[in-house]
This record gives sequence, C-alpha cells and structure tokens, in this order.
Amino acid sequence: GNSVTQMEGPVTLSEEAFLTINCTYTATGYPSLFWYVQYPGEGLQLLLKATKADDKGSNKGFEATYRKETTSFHLEKGSVQVSDSAVYFCALMRLTGGGNKLTFGTGTQLKVEL
Amino acid sequence: NAGVTQTPKFQVLKTGQSMTLQCAQDMNHNSMYWYRQDPGMGLRLIYYSASEGTTDKGEVPNGYNVSRLNKREFSLRLESAAPSQTSVYFCASSGVRGRTGELFFGEGSRLTVL
Repeated sequence: GNSVTQMEGPVTLSEEAFLTINCTYTATGYPSLFWYVQYPGEGLQLLLKATKADDKGSNKGFEATYRKETTSFHLEKGSVQVSDSAVYFCALMRLTGGGNKLTFGTGTQLKVEL
Repeated sequence: NAGVTQTPKFQVLKTGQSMTLQCAQDMNHNSMYWYRQDPGMGLRLIYYSASEGTTDKGEVPNGYNVSRLNKREFSLRLESAAPSQTSVYFCASSGVRGRTGELFFGEGSRLTVL
C-alpha cells in the first residue's frame, strides 16, 4: 500500500537557520506529493505540491523537489523565522477516481527560537 | 469567509455514549472527508464522500458512521464511544478544478472518551 515516512521531531532551530525535513514515500505508479502545514490550534493547510518527477513545489520560501529515483520529497527553507513554528506533514495522493484521498506522514514539529 | 466549519470544538463523553460531529463547507466542493489525528500517527482517513449521495470507508472506519446530508454537510457519528476514539477529528473538503489534492480543513474537534 501507500505510505509516507517523515523524520521524527521536534526539530529545533535558531531563527535564520537552514531547514530540511526529510520525507520518503512508497507507492505504486506516479503519485502526487504534498506538504501541508498545521499552525497551533488550526487545521492543516496546503503549503506546496508537485505532481510529477523533477517538479519543484515552492511557497513562502519553502521548496521541495519530487525525486522519483530516491522516492523523496524533502522540504527545505533557506532561512526560517519564528512564525514558521508549526507541524509539517508530507502526503501523497494517487488518483483513484474517488476523491482526493491523501496518505499523510506522521508529521514533524518545527520549533524556531530567537 | 467561513470555509470548513466543525462543531463542537471540544467534547467529553463517557464510554458507551453516542455523539455526532457536524461539518459544513461553503465552497461548493464535491468531496468531503473525516480524518482523525493521533500523536505519532499523523492523520488517518475515517470516511470520505467523493460526491453528494456517496460515502466510502477510509483507513480506520470501525466504530464510526457518516452521513452526507447534502452537498454542504457531512456528519460523523460515534454510536458507542470507546476510549480508543479519543482523538482530534478533522473534517476537510476538496473539489476546486485544477487544484487536485488540495484539501481545505476545519479547525478540528477534540474528543475525549472517559
């Protein structure tokens, strides 16, 4: 079946540090890949996505590249801010004709300190 | 600008009690979902409704029932609550043309079963 594996958190960084959150996946075929972010007390919201191999998704300074050869979709940001503190979820979707069913990873908490 | 609205936000039940979580979206989306979020396990799909009039089981449907009342509303019912159902429940919707995989989440409902 489909699965997503993320690095365990929490990840604690100083402001302006470089961020990498690792994500690897297992799926048949060619899934679409997503990063969602959950700020404290809120629901998840889409951060970025990539729908085919070698695509790069980007938003708010975050980037992730769909690497089919390594089945990975690592999230990166060059300079994090305190406001980036949140839980980040990697997810995949395979089109099955029955709605947009996503398979989520376990989430990685990011804490950014001054 | 409501988006996805869930009620109640908090609920405490005793084992064996029943309750219904309500969800409504005002974005004219076709598909709606119920997820549960547990520490270390990420989000797991309970049930989904690809379109009005249809519902299907997700990854963890046991102990739950759903009703797609109309295009806007999708409710989740616990007939006989168990402590294992203590969790945070999220409703989501999708269906924006060209934005495959983008789910819009409510703020969550925290349920405690004693």
